[in-house]
Amino acid sequence: ETGVTQTPRHLVMGMTNKKSLKCEQHLGHNAMYWYKQSAKKPLELMFVYSLEERVENNSVPSRFSPECPNSSHLFLHLHTLQPEDSALYLCASSQAPNQPQHFGDGTRLSIL
Amino acid sequence: QKEVEQNSGPLSVPEGAIASLNCTYSDRGSQSFFWYRQYSGKSPELIMSIYSNGDKEDGRFTAQLNKASQYVSLLIRDSQPSDSATYLCAVKASGGSYIPTFGRGTSLIVHP
Repeated sequence: ETGVTQTPRHLVMGMTNKKSLKCEQHLGHNAMYWYKQSAKKPLELMFVYSLEERVENNSVPSRFSPECPNSSHLFLHLHTLQPEDSALYLCASSQAPNQPQHFGDGTRLSIL
Repeated sequence: QKEVEQNSGPLSVPEGAIASLNCTYSDRGSQSFFWYRQYSGKSPELIMSIYSNGDKEDGRFTAQLNKASQYVSLLIRDSQPSDSATYLCAVKASGGSYIPTFGRGTSLIVHP
């Protein structure tokens, strides 16, 4: 149990569907992150929120839309995704800039 | 461009041996250094954090930091087959940034 919970664990969707990934952290951390990890590729930072304010948007296509309603919850809204978007999507949180990140178990996303 | 370099491996060591994983970074202003372990299909798990020059030991793991030479290493003593995983090095700069730079990871195989 890492203190960061992601749902769902697995998601299969068509290219025209709309779905959302959810992340909740129970650690009292101030920052939350979305990462994408494709097979055989390194972690790709997508979005960073610090105290509910987006501080990083790493040139992510607009078909990915993040939402951070409070410091404990983070969503990633998905619409009209492409097959190359199939990947493991990881949420993480950290307490302070010099502190490590704690990762959730991830959502394995498959686009048909 | 901040870079974190790791040899992708695989690094293969026999059970009981010492595994040595290395990481170099380009940003001299880096202040926080982390090692994560990631099993195939799973999320990264924090193993060690190190902030000052020298060695830091935790059980079978020792992190070594040399800021002058801009490298950080992870030693695993008495390696076990269960240590077989990809090890990710992450570096954070000073100045209040929440955003770490991850290396591509080194694959470690511990064979019986």
